[in-house]
Amino acid sequence: AQTVTQSQPEMSVQEAETVTLSCTYDTSESDYYLFWYKQPPSRQMILVIRQEAYKQQNATENRFSVNFQKAAKSFSLKISDSQLGDAAMYFCAYKWGGGADGLTFGKGTHLIIQP
Amino acid sequence: GAGVSQSPSNKVTEKGKDVELRCDPISGHTALYWYRQSLGQGLEFLIYFQGNSAPDKSGLPSDRFSAERTGGSVSTLTIQRTQQEDSAVYLCASSLERFLTGDQETQYFGPGTRLLVL
Repeated sequence: AQTVTQSQPEMSVQEAETVTLSCTYDTSESDYYLFWYKQPPSRQMILVIRQEAYKQQNATENRFSVNFQKAAKSFSLKISDSQLGDAAMYFCAYKWGGGADGLTFGKGTHLIIQP
Repeated sequence: GAGVSQSPSNKVTEKGKDVELRCDPISGHTALYWYRQSLGQGLEFLIYFQGNSAPDKSGLPSDRFSAERTGGSVSTLTIQRTQQEDSAVYLCASSLERFLTGDQETQYFGPGTRLLVL
């Protein structure tokens, strides 16, 4: 079974600084997708960024970028120029590309932005 | 267009009662997913629909849980004889279609239903 591990229950960063959230996963599959979702107190899960395993290039979305290390099964999220609105729970998620499975989530990292 | 909607937003019920949770996916999305989020278990995948069909129901926590989808759109998650351990946030997500690459695999979530069983 696939597992996703987020080793940082909580992270704190100063506004405008850069923070990196870590995620590792375990799978024997070659076709899969990785996601970072953000969940603010409103409960709405919001997609932050997506990475296809077959792509070597790291995904980037504005201030958000990932460091995808396929061999090491690592998928970290970097947030540049942190803003107060970035404060939320961040979940790393894995999805197999070929089966009738949902997402496998990590336990989440609570990101605090210090003004 | 509108996102995924869920109702009710919050539900308080008494132990032993039945509850129905509703999910309305993004228009045109053929795949629909249910998840449960609780403090103890984190985020758990419950069931997936492709159209009106659910190929695998093994993720449902017990036989008190059932789900259906009609017309390839709205889905209902029903919990019979609710127990206190059923208290959680129930999240629904939808995506364009399964077994395709790229954005079609991305799931978009609704705001969830918070269920409290007293």
